Amino acid sequence: SQQGEEDPQALSIQEGENATMNCSYKTSINNLQWYRQNSGRGLVHLILIRSNEREKHSGRLRVTLDTSKKSSSLLITASRAADTASYFCATSGTYKYIFGTGTRLKVLA
Amino acid sequence: NAGVTQTPKFQVLKTGQSMTLQCAQDMNHEYMSWYRQDPGMGLRLIHYSVGAGITDQGEVPNGYNVSRSTTEDFPLRLLSAAPSQTSVYFCASSARPDYGYTFGSGTRLTVV
Repeated sequence: SQQGEEDPQALSIQEGENATMNCSYKTSINNLQWYRQNSGRGLVHLILIRSNEREKHSGRLRVTLDTSKKSSSLLITASRAADTASYFCATSGTYKYIFGTGTRLKVLA
Repeated sequence: NAGVTQTPKFQVLKTGQSMTLQCAQDMNHEYMSWYRQDPGMGLRLIHYSVGAGITDQGEVPNGYNVSRSTTEDFPLRLLSAAPSQTSVYFCASSARPDYGYTFGSGTRLTVV
C-alpha cells in the first residue's frame, strides 16, 4: 500500500494565491521529499526535509514536517499558472522511496 | 549530460510477449529504481538497486525482473506481458539515499 497519502486530491486556486497540500505517512522515515509532475512528464525533485528538521524553504516553497503526527505540508506562495501540475510526497526509511497518490493543482490565470 | 535516459518512449505488446525496458544514467549514481504509474494510484515501486550487483523488490515486483551489471544501466524485464501491466514506467536514480531522485521521461506501455 502507499506510504504517503496527499490531501487534497485536487486543488484549484487563482493565480497569486497560496496553495497548501498535505502528506501523511505511516512508518518512521529518514527524510521526506516533494516532487512535481507536469502532465505527461517525469517527476522533478523540489525539496527534501530530513526527519530532524521541522521546516525548510526554497524560493516560493515552504515545507514543514511533524514526525509526531507523521505528516508534512507543502506551501507554494504567490502561485503562477506554471505551477499547474501534480505534486507528490515521497518518504524514505532506508534505500527505497515510496510515493503518495499526489495532489493535482490547477492555478487559474 | 543526458541524466536518466529511458527507451523506448512508447511500446505496444501482445499478451504473453516479453520485453526489456532500458534505463541508463550518466551521473554515476549508485541508487536506481523502477516505478509504475497508473491513474489514481500514484507511483508504485517495482524494484530498486543500491549499486551494481545489488537489487531488491519494491511494492509490486511480480511479473518483473531486474539486474544491475553496471552502475549506469538498470533494465526492467517483463517476463510474460499481461494487460494489468499497461502503465507508464519511470526509472529514477540518486547519488545517495538522502538525495533527491532524478527521473527519466518514462515509457508508456500498452499490453493488448
